[in-house]
Amino acid sequence: DQQVKQNSPSLSVQEGRISILNCDYTNSMFDYFLWYKKYPAEGPTFLISISSIKDKNEDGRFTVFLNKSAKHLSLHIVPSQPGDSAVYFCAASARLTGGGNKLTFGTGTQLKVEL
Amino acid sequence: NAGVMQNPRHLVRRRGQEARLRCSPMKGHSHVYWYRQLPEEGLKFMVYLQKENIIDESGMPKERFSAEFPKEGPSILRIQQVVRGDSAAYFCASSPPGIGRGIGQPQHFGDGTRLSIL
Repeated sequence: DQQVKQNSPSLSVQEGRISILNCDYTNSMFDYFLWYKKYPAEGPTFLISISSIKDKNEDGRFTVFLNKSAKHLSLHIVPSQPGDSAVYFCAASARLTGGGNKLTFGTGTQLKVEL
Repeated sequence: NAGVMQNPRHLVRRRGQEARLRCSPMKGHSHVYWYRQLPEEGLKFMVYLQKENIIDESGMPKERFSAEFPKEGPSILRIQQVVRGDSAAYFCASSPPGIGRGIGQPQHFGDGTRLSIL
C-alpha cells in the first residue's frame, strides 16, 4: 500500500536546464506536501512545502506545483546546478493528535545534474 | 544537519543484543519523530512523541521496539533482541508545535543511525 509514489528512480539533466521531479499520491486526507533533498550518509533536508489549499509555491530556484484533482505534485528546479545532484523525496503530511504530523515518503528520485 | 543530533552514527550489534539509538531535537522543538529507511525504500514513520508522552506509535512493530522522550535528556529508540531484518537507517526528526488549525510544521531530520546486525 504505497500512498506516495515517485515513479522515476533517476533523472539526468544538464546544468542550467530545468529539472522536473514528479510525485503521485492516493490519500485525499493529506493536508500538505513537502520535498526533501538527501545526500548520501546524511539526513533529509527540507526544501519546500505546499498546503493542499494552494496550487503553487515558489522559493528561489524551486517551485512546487500541486494538482489536487490529479493527486499529483511536481518540483521544478531552474536553473539546475551540479550541487543539486542528490536524492529527492516527496512527502505527504497527515495530522496527528497532539498537533504533530505524520509524513509518508515516496521512494525518491536520484537527480544527476551534468556539466 | 539542521541541528537534530543523533548518536551513534553507526551501530553494530549481534543478533539477540539490544540497540539504543539517541536523538536530541532542535532547540525549541517539542515534537520528536522516528523513521526507518530500509535499502532502496523511502522513510517509514514509526512513532511520534512529545515530552514524557507517546502520541502515536502506529508505525512501530508490535514487539521488541519501544521509544521514549523523557522530561530530561534525549529521545531513545530501543530495539530488543535484534534480528537481521532490523538492519536499516533510523532517522529522528523534530518540529515545533503546529501553527493553529493543526497545520504542521516541516520536520527537520538528523543524519541518522545506521544499524547493522551481524
